[in-house]
Amino acid sequence: EAGVAQSPRYKIIEKRQSVAFWCNPISGHATLYWYQQILGQGPKLLIQFQNNGVVDDSQLPKDRFSAERLKGVDSTLKIQPAKLEDSAVYLCASSLGNSGYTDTQYFGPGTRLTVL
Amino acid sequence: DQQVKQNSPSLSVQEGRISILNCDYTNSMFDYFLWYKKYPAEGPTFLISISSIKDKNEDGRFTVFLNKSAKHLSLHIVPSQPGDSAVYFCAARGSGSARQLTFGSGTQLTVLP
Repeated sequence: EAGVAQSPRYKIIEKRQSVAFWCNPISGHATLYWYQQILGQGPKLLIQFQNNGVVDDSQLPKDRFSAERLKGVDSTLKIQPAKLEDSAVYLCASSLGNSGYTDTQYFGPGTRLTVL
Repeated sequence: DQQVKQNSPSLSVQEGRISILNCDYTNSMFDYFLWYKKYPAEGPTFLISISSIKDKNEDGRFTVFLNKSAKHLSLHIVPSQPGDSAVYFCAARGSGSARQLTFGSGTQLTVLP
């Protein structure tokens, strides 16, 4: 079974530029998550989709971050304009989407963003 | 406000000995706890979990213990192997406002041959 795919794996941009990340979840997984992991910290949820609807985006900085999941499969996360403090690894995860607590999240390899 | 805390950034143990990784939480609404393992340049992978109705869950060399009164959980790895060297994240979730998966900051485990 193929895992969660993410691209690009690395990205270096200047502040105030824009950047986009792509995620392809595990086939059949209804729920998709985007996390931000700053160096030395654990992953922090940015946004959660159930199919193509947003379930939770309470921690997404909406003035500069946006995300979409068209057709309930692939997803893109965009930052515009980027700030120095956005330097982090952006992780995508997916899960089956059942309502139980055993709904295990499977993570992709992440995209490491460096903002100069 | 760190609701899940891993106070040891790093831990070194000898191969064959026991590794004990600790995690504390503050949110009493958490009732499901997980451990993830992360190798460099890879995403976290699920390792083991425990529900608050239990105080122990075992899977091969890995055992998680939960002490609800102390709001503390630990991961025991016995025996430790060099391939276990990785960053281990503790995570927790609950219902309502605690339904998000909340992660600790991780502990780097190094198993020395």
